Amino acid sequence: EVQLAESGGGLVQPGGSLRLSCAASGFTFSNYWMLWVRQPPGKGLVWVSRVNNDGSSTIYADSVEGRFTISRDNAKNTLYLQMNSLRAEDTAVYYCVRGGGAGAFDYWGQGTLVAVSS
Amino acid sequence: QSALTQPPSASGSPGQSVTISCTGTSSDFGGYDYVSWYQQHPGKAPKLMISEVTKRPSGVPDRFSGSKSGNTASLTVSGLQAEDEAHYYCSSYTASNKWVFGGGTKLTVL
Repeated sequence: EVQLAESGGGLVQPGGSLRLSCAASGFTFSNYWMLWVRQPPGKGLVWVSRVNNDGSSTIYADSVEGRFTISRDNAKNTLYLQMNSLRAEDTAVYYCVRGGGAGAFDYWGQGTLVAVSS
Repeated sequence: QSALTQPPSASGSPGQSVTISCTGTSSDFGGYDYVSWYQQHPGKAPKLMISEVTKRPSGVPDRFSGSKSGNTASLTVSGLQAEDEAHYYCSSYTASNKWVFGGGTKLTVL
């Protein structure tokens, strides 16, 4: 069974940093693109970032480019999101997502809440 | 990157059919047929319902179907059931190799 378990969320002050982790199991992690998608409270889904199978290629939404870094450790079956210079508008539930091919997100974690506030 | 345009709400009675639209630009759809639809119940993670415009993953009822014409994709739910009440989001892989979601549609089963 595919499982994705996020951790690392919490309350952080504006300008602060946070690192999210996502532990993957139930599939061959190194065979898949992995992504982060976020959802501000009461609002819709927003794509954040994608990393390819071996971590050599990454891409970001304009709103987080230069502040967030996606990475992965295939030996540990773990996806990461390093978030720096956090802003109030980064407040959201962050989902770890598996790229199922053809642009689809076929498995989602349960999400971890990041709240940016003073 | 602007979001794809979805109606904020849709509704239908049990047994009826409802169609939710998702409109974007040619850049949003990128020349691919990489449009997906997701169902999200309150407090839950989204679930993939349709990929590549029309494909249903294993386990998704055949009451759910997708289509696309020009720059508008659509999700149709036939034979509405109470458990279909949820938010639905479309998504597309774009010409800039990024993704864009629609703003979401709340489907109410009357």
